[in-house]
Amino acid sequence: GESVGLHLPTLSVQEGDNSIINCAYSNSASDYFIWYKQESGKGPQFIIDIRSNMDKRQGQRVTVLLNKTVKHLSLQIAATQPGDSAVYFCAQSRRAGNMLTFGGGTRLMVKP
Amino acid sequence: NAGVTQTPKFRVLKTGQSMTLLCAQDMNHEYMYWYRQDPGMGLRLIHYSVGEGTTAKGEVPDGYNVSRLKKQNFLLGLESAAPSQTSVYFCASSYSFWGHRNNEQFFGPGTRLTVL
Repeated sequence: GESVGLHLPTLSVQEGDNSIINCAYSNSASDYFIWYKQESGKGPQFIIDIRSNMDKRQGQRVTVLLNKTVKHLSLQIAATQPGDSAVYFCAQSRRAGNMLTFGGGTRLMVKP
Repeated sequence: NAGVTQTPKFRVLKTGQSMTLLCAQDMNHEYMYWYRQDPGMGLRLIHYSVGEGTTAKGEVPDGYNVSRLKKQNFLLGLESAAPSQTSVYFCASSYSFWGHRNNEQFFGPGTRLTVL
């Protein structure tokens, strides 16, 4: 079956540093990937997405990198701020219209 | 716009009791979803709906029923609650189904359910 997992359950970074959150997926047929941010007591919030025909996509202070060869996805956050502290989930789907499969989440802690 | 709202925010049930969770969205979205989130785990899809009057099973549908009588509302029912259903339940909605570029899924704040 499909699975999405994360290498690091907790990541602690200094304010102002860059953060990298990693995610591995098992299904090579996946063609759509999303990163979500979930703050304590709130629902997940969409951050950025990427299709399998792309290797990189940039947003505001965030970049998603996709390596299809090793089935690896990463989220880079530039100049990490205290407001970035949250749990980050990656999710994948196999073709348009299919269900999303979520990873277990990585907690990002930003030290002032 | 309120976005996606969920009622109630918290609930404690005894084993065997029933309850209904209400999700409402005011964005005129066609698609709505119910997830559960357990400690240390990602979201798992329970049921979803692709439009008014339609429902479909997700990854973990057993023990739950849903209804989408109105486009803006998606109800999740537990007919006979079990301790294994203790979880945080999230509702979400989107304009188009997952897998479409630039499709953002909007999540509600969650309902924390405890079954004793």
